[in-house]
Amino acid sequence: QVQLQESGPGLVKPSQTLSLACSVSGGSISSGSYYWSWIRQPAGKGLEWIGRIYASGYTNYNSNPSLKSRVSISMDTSKNQFSLNLSSVTAADTAVYFCAREGEYCTNGICYTLDPWGRGTLVTVSS
Amino acid sequence: EIVMTQSPVALSVSPGERATLSCRASQSISNKLAWYQQKPGQAPRLLIYGASTRATGIPARFSGSGSGTEFTLSISSLQSEDFAVYYCQHYDSWILTFGPGTKVDMK
Repeated sequence: QVQLQESGPGLVKPSQTLSLACSVSGGSISSGSYYWSWIRQPAGKGLEWIGRIYASGYTNYNSNPSLKSRVSISMDTSKNQFSLNLSSVTAADTAVYFCAREGEYCTNGICYTLDPWGRGTLVTVSS
Repeated sequence: EIVMTQSPVALSVSPGERATLSCRASQSISNKLAWYQQKPGQAPRLLIYGASTRATGIPARFSGSGSGTEFTLSISSLQSEDFAVYYCQHYDSWILTFGPGTKVDMK
C-alpha cells in the first residue's frame, strides 16, 4: 500500500523559498504508471492544485497568477521522494500543503485523479 | 481554465437521510469528474471517479452521476462518519481544478 508523507519547515520568511519533500513508501516514484502532484489548501478554504511531476521528470505547473513562474517540482529517485520549491513567498502562500499520487484511477486513459494523499503539512509565511 | 462550481455551499442533513450535492463545470468535461471527501484535519479522500465509479473501498451508499457539465453526488442514508466537506474535481485537462466544496453537517 503506497503511503506519502510531506516534510519541511513549518515557517518560512516572506520573499524566501518554500521547500517541501514528499517521501513515498510502498511503491517507486520511478514507475511510469504514476505521476506525483502537490496541492495546497489555505486555512478554511478550498483546494488548489500546484503541479505534478511524471516519472520521466517532465512537469506540469498551474499557470494561475497566484503561482505562475514561482513553482518548481523535482524528484530524487535515490530517496524515492519528490519535492516542491515555491519562490518569493508571501503571506498568501500560507497553507497546508499536500502531496498525492495520480494514475491509479483512470477514465478513457486519463488518470489525473488524486489517490492516495499525504496527511499534509502546514507552512506559515511570516517574519 | 475550466471553472468548477458546487451547490449548495452547505447542507444540513439528519443521520439516515439522503444528501444530494451538485457540481457544475464551465465547459463540457465528458465524465472526467472526481469527488473527494475531506474531514477536519485530514487529507481529502477519493470517493468517485469517472463521474460514477466508486474508488476501492468506498461504500455503496456513495453514488455519482452526470456527464458534460452537470454532476451529482448522492449519499444515501447518511452515517455519522459522512459529515464532511465534499469537493468535485475535473480532470479533462492536465490542469486540475476543484470546486469550492459543499459542507454536509448534521441537522
